[in-house]
Amino acid sequence: GAVVSQHPSRVICKSGTSVKIECRSLDFQATTMFWYRQFPKQSLMLMATSNEGSKATYEQGVEKDKFLINHASLTLSTLTVTSAHPEDSSFYICSARDHLGTGLYEQYFGPGTRLTVT
Amino acid sequence: KQEVTQIPAALSVPEGENLVLNCSFTDSAIYNLQWFRQDPGKGLTSLLLIQSSQREQTSGRLNASLDKSSGRSTLYIAASQPGDSATYLCAVRQETSGSRLTFGEGTQLTVNP
Repeated sequence: GAVVSQHPSRVICKSGTSVKIECRSLDFQATTMFWYRQFPKQSLMLMATSNEGSKATYEQGVEKDKFLINHASLTLSTLTVTSAHPEDSSFYICSARDHLGTGLYEQYFGPGTRLTVT
Repeated sequence: KQEVTQIPAALSVPEGENLVLNCSFTDSAIYNLQWFRQDPGKGLTSLLLIQSSQREQTSGRLNASLDKSSGRSTLYIAASQPGDSATYLCAVRQETSGSRLTFGEGTQLTVNP
């Protein structure tokens, strides 16, 4: 199956700093990518949907100025957590959608990035 | 708003046992339903995807069924092994919103040797 990578896998940063997480589709072009957040022992919550070359669509309650998403190419989307605070500590997972043709598509998930804000 | 519920939240079984994980969803107008596996601190691995027109999908020791009208799906794992220990997530994709996936909170499975 198709592969989605994330970098870094783990990051520790100090409160007030910004952190950038990269998501890449390695062997397919993804016009649509998704960013999820997962708290311990909880499910994935969709944060935003990004389409290549356009602004991301954020879910209700997600601050777009705090979680900056850029989808500048068909294989790369980035999530920047600005002015991070300890409550932003979480597991962030990206996903990329591959169009299989004839209206079918499949969504592949990255391995996740563990963010810890101290 | 679609809501996905998984029961039980946690399950511990001895090796070799057959088991069933349950998933229910409130809005039956789905495009497809997908079962994922998540190991601790890792991303998601897709196990089975069932289109809304299908009733079941099988892969090895795994069998997933879908009853769209009643809003239910089950994941059957035969002859469980310690390597099956993980969290299993059910997710549905809506017809109306296309690509949005709504996840359940998962069932944490432990298979004891």
